[in-house]
Amino acid sequence: AQSVTQLDSQVPVFEEAPVELRCNYSSSVSVYLFWYVQYPNQGLQLLLKYLSGSTLVKGINGFEAEFNKSQTSFHLRKPSVHISDTAEYFCAVDFGNEKLTFGTGTRLTIIP
Amino acid sequence: DADVTQTPRNRITKTGKRIMLECSQTKGHDRMYWYRQDPGLGLQLIYYSFDVKDINKGEISDGYSVSRQAQAKFSLSLESAIPNQTALYFCATSDPLGAGGGDTQYFGPGTRLTVL
Repeated sequence: AQSVTQLDSQVPVFEEAPVELRCNYSSSVSVYLFWYVQYPNQGLQLLLKYLSGSTLVKGINGFEAEFNKSQTSFHLRKPSVHISDTAEYFCAVDFGNEKLTFGTGTRLTIIP
Repeated sequence: DADVTQTPRNRITKTGKRIMLECSQTKGHDRMYWYRQDPGLGLQLIYYSFDVKDINKGEISDGYSVSRQAQAKFSLSLESAIPNQTALYFCATSDPLGAGGGDTQYFGPGTRLTVL
C-alpha cells in the first residue's frame, strides 16, 4: 500500500536555530509532493510543492524542501525558525491517482 | 474573503442525530473533497467529487454520505452520528489544470464536530 511517513510527531527547536522535518513515502513511481502547514485553529495552507524539474523547491515563509528520488524523501527545512513558525506540518503525496495521501503530521514547537 | 468556507465552524450534537456540514467555494474548481482529522492520524479522505455528477468514496466513507449540489457546493452528512465521529472536518478544492500544474488542494477553515 502507498503510504507517507513522518517519523517525528513533535520537534522542539530553539528560536533562530535551523530545523528539518522529515517525510518519506513508499513508492518509487512518479509522484507529486506537497508540504502543508496548519496554524492553531486554522485550516491547512500550502507551503510548497514539487511537481517536476529542480529537486530543491522554495516555498513561503523561508521554507524549502528537497526531493530525493532514490531515498523517496521530501524533507522540509528552514535555516532559522521564528516563534511564528509554531504549527503542525503535513507532508502529502499524489501517487498518480489524483488524490493526496497525508502523513500523520509533525508538530513544530519553537522555544524562545 | 475566504475562497473555501465551511459551516458551521463548531457543532455539538448527540448520538443518533443527523448532521450536515456544508462547504462552499468561490475558486471555480471542479474538484472537491471531504477529510477528517484526528490527533496523530493526519487527514483521512472521506469522499471526493471530480465534478457535479461524480462522487467517489474515500478511505473512510462508512457512516457518511455526501451531496454535490452545484460546482460550488459539497455537503457532508452523518446520518446517525456516533461518538467516534468526533473530529475536525475539512473541505478542500482543487483544479488539476491550475497554474503550475499538479492538483494542489486548497482547504477550508474546518468544522469541529463533537458527538456526545
